Amino acid sequence: AQSVTQPDARVTVSEGASLQLRCKYSYFGTPYLFWYVQYPRQGLQLLLKYYPGDPVVQGVNGFEAEFSKSNSSFHLRKASVHWSDWAVYFCAVSMISGSFNKLTFGAGTRLAVCP
Amino acid sequence: EAAVTQSPRNKVAVTGGKVTLSCNQTNNHNNMYWYRQDTGHGLRLIHYSYGAGSTEKGDIPDGYKASRPSQENFSLILELATPSQTSVYFCASGGQAPLFGEGTRLSVL
Repeated sequence: AQSVTQPDARVTVSEGASLQLRCKYSYFGTPYLFWYVQYPRQGLQLLLKYYPGDPVVQGVNGFEAEFSKSNSSFHLRKASVHWSDWAVYFCAVSMISGSFNKLTFGAGTRLAVCP
Repeated sequence: EAAVTQSPRNKVAVTGGKVTLSCNQTNNHNNMYWYRQDTGHGLRLIHYSYGAGSTEKGDIPDGYKASRPSQENFSLILELATPSQTSVYFCASGGQAPLFGEGTRLSVL
C-alpha cells in the first residue's frame, strides 16, 4: 500500500534562510507526487506536482521539489523563505487510475518563520 | 474561477445526533472526495464519488455515509455522531490534482 512519511512535525527557519522539508514515500511502481500548503484556517492549495519526467519540478512562490527514486524521496525546497510562508505543508502520493486520483497524505510539517 | 464551497464552516453537534456536511463545486468535475484532518494523521479519505449517483468507500468509512445527488453536490452524513468524529472535514473535487474547500470544523460534544 502507498504511504508517505514526513519526518519533521515542525520546522523553524529565519526569514531569508533556505528551506528543505523532507518527504519519503512508499509506492509500488512509478509514483505521482504532490506538495500542498495549508495556510491558517484555509483549505489545501497545490504547490507543485510531479509526474514521471524531469526529477526537479518548479512550483508557485519559488518552491521546487526533487524526486529521487533511489531514495524514495520528494523533498521540498525554497532558496529564501518569506514570513508569508508560515503554514503547514503536506506531501502526498497518488494512485491514478484513469481520471481518478486517490491521494495518500503525510502527517504534515508545520513551518514557522522567525523575523 | 474553480471553486469548492463547504457548509457549514463550523458545527457543534451532540452525541447521537445527525450531522450533514455539504459540499458544492462549480468546476464540472466528475470526482469528489471527503477527507478528515487530524493532528498527526494528515488527511484521510472517508468517501469519494465518480459522479452523480455514485459513492465509494475510502480508507476510513465507518460511521459515515455519503450522497451525490448531482454533479455539483456531495454530502457527508453522520447518522449517529460520536465525539471521536470531532475533526476538520475537507471536501475536494477534480482529477489528478484535486481542489480543496476551506474545511468544516466539527465538534461533537
